Formats: sequence, C-alpha cells, structure tokens
Amino acid sequence: DQQVKQNSPSLSVQEGRISILNCDYTNSMFDYFLWYKKYPAEGPTFLISISSIKDKNEDGRFTVFLNKSAKHLSLHIVPSQPGDSAVYFCAASDGSSASKIIFGSGTRLSIRP
Amino acid sequence: NAGVTQTPKFRVLKTGQSMTLLCAQDMNHEYMYWYRQDPGMGLRLIHYSVGEGTTAKGEVPDGYNVSRLKKQNFLLGLESAAPSQTSVYFCASTFGGAGGQSSYNEQFFGPGTRLTVL
Repeated sequence: DQQVKQNSPSLSVQEGRISILNCDYTNSMFDYFLWYKKYPAEGPTFLISISSIKDKNEDGRFTVFLNKSAKHLSLHIVPSQPGDSAVYFCAASDGSSASKIIFGSGTRLSIRP
Repeated sequence: NAGVTQTPKFRVLKTGQSMTLLCAQDMNHEYMYWYRQDPGMGLRLIHYSVGEGTTAKGEVPDGYNVSRLKKQNFLLGLESAAPSQTSVYFCASTFGGAGGQSSYNEQFFGPGTRLTVL
C-alpha cells in the first residue's frame, strides 16, 4: 500500500505558464515533506521541502503547499521553463531515525514551447 | 568534491550470478542508503546505514546484502541475481548522528547503476 501517491504519471505545460504537481499521503505521522527532481540518467536532486508546522514554503519559482487536513501537498512552478522538464518525486518523512524518506512514484513534467 | 559516485554505471548479469555495487561519498556523511527505482513505483529503500560498521533493512531488502566497512563506502551485494532485480539502483547519503543538522536532512544521490538480469 503506497503511503505517498502521485496519481498523475505525466503532465504537459506550456512554457511560461504555471505547473502544478500534486501528491497525496496516507500516513498521518508524516511531518516533513520533500520534492526531488530527476533528469534522465542522473540521480534525484533535492528541490524544496516543507515542515508540517507550515502550510507554504517558497523558493524562487517553486512553492510547495501543504494541506494537512486533506493529506495533500502540491508543487507550483511559476513561470515554467524548458529546463523544468524532468520527473518530480514527492517524498515524506515520519521523523524516525536515520532520516529515512518514502517516495511517491513520480510525475513526468514536460514543458512545451 | 565528487559528491556521491557509483560503480559500475551499467551491468548485465545472468540469473544466478553475483555482483557488488560500490557507492562512495566524499562529504563525510554518516548516513548512507541504497534504493531501487522501478517503473511506476518510485524509489524504494533496500538497506541503509547510520554509520561505519552498521547496516539495517529497508522496505525491500530480500536478495540483497550490504556492508559499510569504511565511512565513505557503502557496498550493495547480490549473491544470486534474479530477473526481478533488474532495476536502476541509486545510492544516497546525508549528514546524521552528532554532526547532523536535523532529523530531516537532504539526501544527496549518486548517478545510478542500471542493472539487467537475464
């Protein structure tokens, strides 16, 4: 049973528009959430994170929103750029030892000109 | 500063063969991890280590063994490879223990090893 779910395997957005990637989770013990970005033939790289005590975190063009009551988070990219085309993984941690995180299945974002 | 490196980048094995994947990091990180990535399933944790000489099982440990004899290296072994182990394997590391900043430290990933078992 997947604890972190990304229900959209792919998303296509026009350059300059907003990209919205969604993620749902089932474990109420999760208290920290992360987004990783992955290009082909490379390892994932950390993008942005949010603690459960916040409902929004912003870093440049990237904003993550957390709705704890709905167990839902989203990543907004504004404006979308060609270099944003990648696979985005949502991940979550329950604060247990060893900084372990659980990943979603990923969403492939394509930015079209 | 090379970060996290993985050897080899590609490998093809026959069923029943054995091999070892090597992960090395030069960031003096305490914690290291091995993941596998399969289509539609994201990254799943195989084994992890919170320090030299320690290892622990993750979500999908069966068929794999690990060793952390040196702080900078984390080895993943397949004793008898099976087609179900065809995957892309990623190693990651992060701060932890006495030198860590928080319980939720960013993990740094290697470039991956693509393994095919025939």
